[in-house]
Amino acid sequence: DTGVSQDPRHKITKRGQNVTFRCDPISEHNRLYWYRQTLGQGPEFLTYFQNEAQLEKSRLLSDRFSAERPKGSFSTLEIQRTEQGDSAMYLCASSLEGVAGELFFGEGSRLTVL
Amino acid sequence: SQQGEEDPQALSIQEGENATMNCSYKTSINNLQWYRQNSGRGLVHLILIRSNEREKHSGRLRVTLDTSKKSSSLLITASRAADTASYFCAPGNTGGFKTIFGAGTRLFVKA
Repeated sequence: DTGVSQDPRHKITKRGQNVTFRCDPISEHNRLYWYRQTLGQGPEFLTYFQNEAQLEKSRLLSDRFSAERPKGSFSTLEIQRTEQGDSAMYLCASSLEGVAGELFFGEGSRLTVL
Repeated sequence: SQQGEEDPQALSIQEGENATMNCSYKTSINNLQWYRQNSGRGLVHLILIRSNEREKHSGRLRVTLDTSKKSSSLLITASRAADTASYFCAPGNTGGFKTIFGAGTRLFVKA
């Protein structure tokens, strides 16, 4: 299977702990996106990369959140000092530059902060 | 990029009936996409319609686009219980590298 994979699928942590999620995009895709989704809402844009460059980051995103894509392949999303309000599904998607916008999503990483 | 607004927020129908969902947007677009999300899963791309197209079909899906009214509709014919999901539209335009999603339409198909 060469789809987008995310790890871990579920994470339960205590408030104040740091968590890191990993996303492996489809191999030839040079664009990678992170979204956050809470129950009953649509995915909320967090940030996106073109190759290893982080080109945009949501202004709503706290500085506790950081994302990297060091070699233009996989990406990590770290949340420091987690809060209960960070509980959500974190979705990763990838796409191919030059192709009209179709995003390929992973199955998401569900975070529960106790 | 801009966010589309889906309507209705929720829709409940019987298996075999048709389901229609609508999407409105505010500024001009190059294309519009529809995605489906089953509960607890990632989104799946369904169909993309370009601004110079008025209608597009894919299996039991029919999408229309009216750029003068800045609206699109997604019709699912002969619905099945497996169509139960949330559906999102995503208007796209040149230079808009990020796709923004609204709250979606939650479709429930009763067997």
